[in-house]
Amino acid sequence: DIQMTQSPSSLSASVGDRVTITCRASQSISNHLNWYQQKPGKAPKLLIYAASSLQYGVPSRFSGSGSGTDFTLTISSLHPEDFSSYYCQQRYSTPLTFGGGTKVEIK
Amino acid sequence: EVQLVESGGGLVQPGRSLRLSCAASGFTFNDYAMHWVRQAPGKGLEWVSNILWNGGSAAYADSVKGRFTISRDNAKKSLYLEMNSLRAEDTALYFCAKVRVGGDPDDAFDVWGQGTLVTVSS
Repeated sequence: DIQMTQSPSSLSASVGDRVTITCRASQSISNHLNWYQQKPGKAPKLLIYAASSLQYGVPSRFSGSGSGTDFTLTISSLHPEDFSSYYCQQRYSTPLTFGGGTKVEIK
Repeated sequence: EVQLVESGGGLVQPGRSLRLSCAASGFTFNDYAMHWVRQAPGKGLEWVSNILWNGGSAAYADSVKGRFTISRDNAKKSLYLEMNSLRAEDTALYFCAKVRVGGDPDDAFDVWGQGTLVTVSS
């Protein structure tokens, strides 16, 4: 199974900050990496697919990059509604696996 | 509006069975592979199972293989998860999810249901 490791597991930031979340795969997964946002008690929401493609309707302050084993999700300027948890997920092979999550909290 | 609505969760004793359902609307259900993903209380997301658009093939996480069975009824636009020999560690919120592109069984999940809670406890 491919292990997905996210870092940090949590971070504190302020509105307007630039935030970067990292996801590392235990083996190369090309660009087969997706990012989701999840708010407490809600279903996850797709943000980025294929490592860098912005899902329709997602604000352009979200961006993704990387290939192979190392990936990043960047929020260029945090908005109040961005305080949430974020998960990466590989779709290179089954079983599909998620990272452990990153909780973005208000400083 | 594209929508998925799960049902069937509840409190069940260890070793017993439960069947979850997911009703789809607003899209051509039989064009898309479907997945189940779960989330234990306070924990991260765990992929559980998927099924091709025509029900012809399915895959499972090792943690549920041999105990859970995914199925679908395209005429009813519904997805199911039959869960047998339930364990305490199966306690979770279970989500059904639709893939973004119909022809890609493991594409990103662009639509999720609200989840149905399964609690396994004596």
